[in-house]
Amino acid sequence: QKEVEQDPGPLSVPEGAIVSLNCTYSNSAFQYFMWYRQYSRKGPELLMYTYSSGNKEDGRFTAQVDKSSKYISLFIRDSQPSDSATYLCAMSGADTGGFKTIFGAGTRLFVKA
Amino acid sequence: NAGVTQTPKFRVLKTGQSMTLLCAQDMNHEYMYWYRQDPGMGLRLIHYSVGEGTTAKGEVPDGYNVSRLKKQNFLLGLESAAPSQTSVYFCASSWPGWNIQYFGAGTRLSVL
Repeated sequence: QKEVEQDPGPLSVPEGAIVSLNCTYSNSAFQYFMWYRQYSRKGPELLMYTYSSGNKEDGRFTAQVDKSSKYISLFIRDSQPSDSATYLCAMSGADTGGFKTIFGAGTRLFVKA
Repeated sequence: NAGVTQTPKFRVLKTGQSMTLLCAQDMNHEYMYWYRQDPGMGLRLIHYSVGEGTTAKGEVPDGYNVSRLKKQNFLLGLESAAPSQTSVYFCASSWPGWNIQYFGAGTRLSVL
């Protein structure tokens, strides 16, 4: 079993839709949770960063962490064609073999105009 | 501010050839990393460095070597390329703590 599971998609939605992206994980020692966005043929860039449980909002993006269920989510409101990209969840903690970051495989999102 | 710069962007090798991928960062970051990204596998850590002159193995280090002679540069070497090393390679850097990493644009490598 992978430490981090993420549905690869692809996920196709119409412009303006609310998008929900999710990851599950198995290591209860994870404390830091990140979402990276990766456009085609580009490197990943940090989108959201959350410590421990709870919600964090930044514009149209909301990150949620539920440590009791080992489940994290990224919500995108009023999705735009420019949101079309691959979204990688990532997490780390003091117990990940030296504070390393573990990445999910990524979910491809297409937002149709 | 260039951030993290990787060279070359594309390369085609024949089996058994060697090459070096160069990563340079201008953010004065202590930590640097090399990942490979394959379909369905996500980003896998090859080697990393927590400071000038130091290197350590990651999840998939076999067939690769690295060097960090200067703080701003991190080199990834393939001594004898194999088709299994066909992948997209990303370099990243961060402040100590690993949590927020800054990535380069990647190097697409094909080994025939």
